[in-house]
Amino acid sequence: DTGVSQNPRHKITKRGQNVTFRCDPISEHNRLYWYRQTLGQGPEFLTYFQNEAQLEKSRLLSDRFSAERPKGSFSTLEIQRTEQGDSAMYLCASSLVQGNSPLHFGNGTRLTVT
Amino acid sequence: DQQVKQNSPSLSVQEGRISILNCDYTNSMFDYFLWYKKYPAEGPTFLISISSIKDKNEDGRFTVFLNKSAKHLSLHIVPSQPGDSAVYFCAAILGFSDMRFGAGTRLTVKP
Repeated sequence: DTGVSQNPRHKITKRGQNVTFRCDPISEHNRLYWYRQTLGQGPEFLTYFQNEAQLEKSRLLSDRFSAERPKGSFSTLEIQRTEQGDSAMYLCASSLVQGNSPLHFGNGTRLTVT
Repeated sequence: DQQVKQNSPSLSVQEGRISILNCDYTNSMFDYFLWYKKYPAEGPTFLISISSIKDKNEDGRFTVFLNKSAKHLSLHIVPSQPGDSAVYFCAAILGFSDMRFGAGTRLTVKP
């Protein structure tokens, strides 16, 4: 296993279009997280799953955002009706369940909305 | 609300010297702290962590110090190497999911 994998690495889309990103976590990790990072800022928490259950969503996650992890393995993050303010790096991370197991991040998907 | 702050956006040190990266937090309920390192075009990589019940954790060239009364932690890298040049993020955890990151400090180690 080579770590957390995210696809695509880059996505350019026009305002108003829908986009979907995929994350494949480290196989034995039960928890999966989505973060967003904009220039000059640290990653901001969006949502997280334990197995297939979405346990928490940040208020940053507007109604246009939806995340799924249907079989408790890979996850998708969809943004509907994209806006220029959605341009950011979207990071996925995974971790084990126990204690404060550190998050292992993927290399992210950079979204540019024109 | 910026509960984790890294007030120095950049730091430059000479190879072989000590690098000290600082982080302040406002929420006294944070119970676990981590440092991540990030190279360009890569995701953050876990570096070192410390529980709130400790005041120091050491791993090779990296040491993290926690001062709970001051709500301050720092990462010491000694000796610094050019390969340490990266952006360093401080993070604090409140529960399992609520991890807050600072804005990062870009460290440049000059040969």
